[in-house]
Amino acid sequence: DAMVIQNPRYQVTQFGKPVTLSCSQTLNHNVMYWYQQKSSQAPKLLFHYYDKDFNNEADTPDNFQSRRPNTSFCFLDIRSPGLGDAAMYLCATSRDRQGLTEAFFGQGTRLTVV
Amino acid sequence: QQQVKQSPQSLIVQKGGISIINCAYENTAFDYFPWYQQFPGKGPALLIAIRPDVSEKKEGRFTISFNKSAKQFSLHIMDSQPGDSATYFCAAGNTGNQFYFGTGTSLTVIP
Repeated sequence: DAMVIQNPRYQVTQFGKPVTLSCSQTLNHNVMYWYQQKSSQAPKLLFHYYDKDFNNEADTPDNFQSRRPNTSFCFLDIRSPGLGDAAMYLCATSRDRQGLTEAFFGQGTRLTVV
Repeated sequence: QQQVKQSPQSLIVQKGGISIINCAYENTAFDYFPWYQQFPGKGPALLIAIRPDVSEKKEGRFTISFNKSAKQFSLHIMDSQPGDSATYFCAAGNTGNQFYFGTGTSLTVIP
């Protein structure tokens, strides 16, 4: 059974049109992460939540925002998608911070910007 | 700046052979080194991880070798099988802080 679920699997959006990607988890984990993975590149951490505490990476563009309304759900909002934002977006969860506990990844949402 | 360098980018191995993927890091403060396996259309999944207090960790056919002085670690897949064909990512970081991924190695095991 899927434990970290991302919807949709594939998303096509227009240049500049706001888009939201969603992630839900059934693990009741404290930490939720969003990664961006471009083709043939390493996943890059955008931000993470530890419970309600939001942690933004210094080099994450302002165009990317996140919301975590409750333990189970986390959203990635891209306010004005550009062509360079086309990528796989991965959500992950962990009971505690990485290194202390294992991180579980969802299947990802592949975003296409047209 | 690439915090973790991974090689090779792609690897082709015969069934039954040994697959070896190498990673190097710069930050001596890193204390956790996981390896992830990613199949097409799936998210990465933790395969095996090591901490710098040991030089080797083995789980089944998968072994991590760790060289703290050289700041290098590697994944060895013994008796490689076609089902092992996937992309493998190493990662490194500090417990409780951000982890940095390598650029990945696409492994193909030929029957």
